[in-house]
Amino acid sequence: GAGVSQSPSNKVTEKGKDVELRCDPISGHTALYWYRQSLGQGLEFLIYFQGNSAPDKSGLPSDRFSAERTGGSVSTLTIQRTQQEDSAVYLCASTSTDTQYFGPGTRLTVL
Amino acid sequence: SQKIEQNSEALNIQEGKTATLTCNYTNYSPAYLQWYRQDPGRGPVFLLLIRENEKEKRKERLKVTFDTTLKQSLFHITASQPADSATYLCALPDSNYQLIWGAGTKLIIKP
Repeated sequence: GAGVSQSPSNKVTEKGKDVELRCDPISGHTALYWYRQSLGQGLEFLIYFQGNSAPDKSGLPSDRFSAERTGGSVSTLTIQRTQQEDSAVYLCASTSTDTQYFGPGTRLTVL
Repeated sequence: SQKIEQNSEALNIQEGKTATLTCNYTNYSPAYLQWYRQDPGRGPVFLLLIRENEKEKRKERLKVTFDTTLKQSLFHITASQPADSATYLCALPDSNYQLIWGAGTKLIIKP
């Protein structure tokens, strides 16, 4: 199947801990995005992977955030030393031409 | 820089009526504009894309218009149904061809 999957669906962590969020894009989609969405807000761009090109990291809010995409498929977003302001829903999308297909997101809560 | 403005107040519409949502942008006219639907706890789902040389696009009960003079897109749902209740997001590419997103308008269709 079919769509973009993300895991875990929910993550509760303590301030200062590291977290890893995973995204499995749609097979064959070469582009992958990570976004963050806070309650009642629009999507905030974090990072973009396109094929074998260097990723566009311009949206990462601090050096505590990093992401990688292995083999042009699965991507992992890592947040080190989490802070309470990192609490949000993290969404992944893979693209076909101009259309983005989103996963269900990971809700991150930092206590 | 380009900004997107969507009405942050929820829109309440009686079932059967036409719902109209507005998306305004502040800067240059983009090559295209997209509308997505987002349900609670889910990622956005693509609905329609309209290009700058298109005045209007339709898909079933949905209609999108794009007025580059007004810097505005309107999204219409005719014969609205309670199942149309969701948050509707507009998105358009920035100068680096990354999508930027409005915060969305919550639509509530009352039976």
